[in-house]
Amino acid sequence: DSGVTQTPKHLITATGQRVTLRCSPRSGDLSVYWYQQSLDQGLQFLIQYYNGEERAKGNILERFSAQQFPDLHSELNLSSLELGDSALYFCASSVGADSIYEQYFGPGTRLTVT
Amino acid sequence: AQSVTQPDIHITVSEGASLELRCNYSYGATPYLFWYVQSPGQGLQLLLKYFSGDTLVQGIKGFEAEFKRSQSSFNLRKPSVHWSDAAEYFCAVGGLSGGYQKVTFGTGTKLQVIP
Repeated sequence: DSGVTQTPKHLITATGQRVTLRCSPRSGDLSVYWYQQSLDQGLQFLIQYYNGEERAKGNILERFSAQQFPDLHSELNLSSLELGDSALYFCASSVGADSIYEQYFGPGTRLTVT
Repeated sequence: AQSVTQPDIHITVSEGASLELRCNYSYGATPYLFWYVQSPGQGLQLLLKYFSGDTLVQGIKGFEAEFKRSQSSFNLRKPSVHWSDAAEYFCAVGGLSGGYQKVTFGTGTKLQVIP
């Protein structure tokens, strides 16, 4: 158990809908990272938040957004969902802003878009 | 740009046999290199990492990896595989990109262990 929690574990929704994925980092970690793992793209970095502020951006679509709240939990919002958004979404956390090499991964949320 | 290639999508080994998973990376400077393992229904767990120094790195669960700069490789090895090692393994490279530290993952190698 990494100490990073993600909810829900599974999510099934229809195209065009909007969903919110939630992540709680390890105690003491200020950075949260979001990743998408799909069969064709592999594991892709989406975005990083550090202490409530966006720190780094990867291959995140404009239909996707994230935020980190004062209690340091983070949410990833996916809107206008398409079939191709079906994937495993991982959250990871680390202590500092530049400590991505010490990140710990959560168990993931499996999103299925039908 | 940094990239990682894991040429083997799927590998099957017998329990007790030795294992080597291949990883090649591309990065302009000295890279930071990682191996992660993902068991079904689980997140990624760090097996080992290389930052500098001794090119043979020991990790958890009896795994080791060797950094070979001349071959741009960071292959993962285990002398004797256990059934519980069946999982997907990801090689990753880290470095500075676009002003921040970034980790790029390979596409993974799925390991099947047969009795």
